[in-house]
Amino acid sequence: DGGITQSPKYLFRKEGQNVTLSCEQNLNHDAMYWYRQDPGQGLRLIYYSQIVNDFQKGDIAEGYSVSREKKESFPLTVTSAQKNPTAFYLCASTPGQGQETQYFGPGTRLLVL
Amino acid sequence: AQSVTQPDIHITVSEGASLELRCNYSYGATPYLFWYVQSPGQGLQLLLKYFSGDTLVQGIKGFEAEFKRSQSSFNLRKPSVHWSDAAEYFCAVGPSNDYKLSFGAGTTVTVRA
Repeated sequence: DGGITQSPKYLFRKEGQNVTLSCEQNLNHDAMYWYRQDPGQGLRLIYYSQIVNDFQKGDIAEGYSVSREKKESFPLTVTSAQKNPTAFYLCASTPGQGQETQYFGPGTRLLVL
Repeated sequence: AQSVTQPDIHITVSEGASLELRCNYSYGATPYLFWYVQSPGQGLQLLLKYFSGDTLVQGIKGFEAEFKRSQSSFNLRKPSVHWSDAAEYFCAVGPSNDYKLSFGAGTTVTVRA
């Protein structure tokens, strides 16, 4: 079945540690996105990528980094510079032909120890 | 800039009763509009979308939404709610030929027996 997978489901970060969240899609979509979800704030865009080897900052990119070396993969690193990383992180993708439906993965919950 | 307002943070409805969730958007041109549903700890699932044409849009799970340009609204409705409809609902708006969506803060729906 085609879809988006995110791993791990839960992730724990220690102070000063970088952690990486995985997002993989087998939909052959060009565009991929990372969102952060906090209670009562909806979804906020962290980074997005329209094509391999290219990505743009979203609304809250500080403290995060991404790479897009392969079409199917868009990992997100939460760096030690992100002082409030506890949130639910969602990855999404679209075919990339314009404004289209975004398909979401199941999410990763990041907690700080 | 585009934005979305969902005025109701939390709605409680009896099983079998009708449901209406409000969504107001701000955008200069004709927007692309979406409603998504999220069960606890899960990703987002598309309920329906409006791009153009008929302003009354039918979606999955018996939901429908009506685009009203004069009121900048895209309210979601369901005639008879089932207990499984308890979830969080997000309205989203995006401009044409752009990859970015703006999400509302969400409305949590509780269904009582």
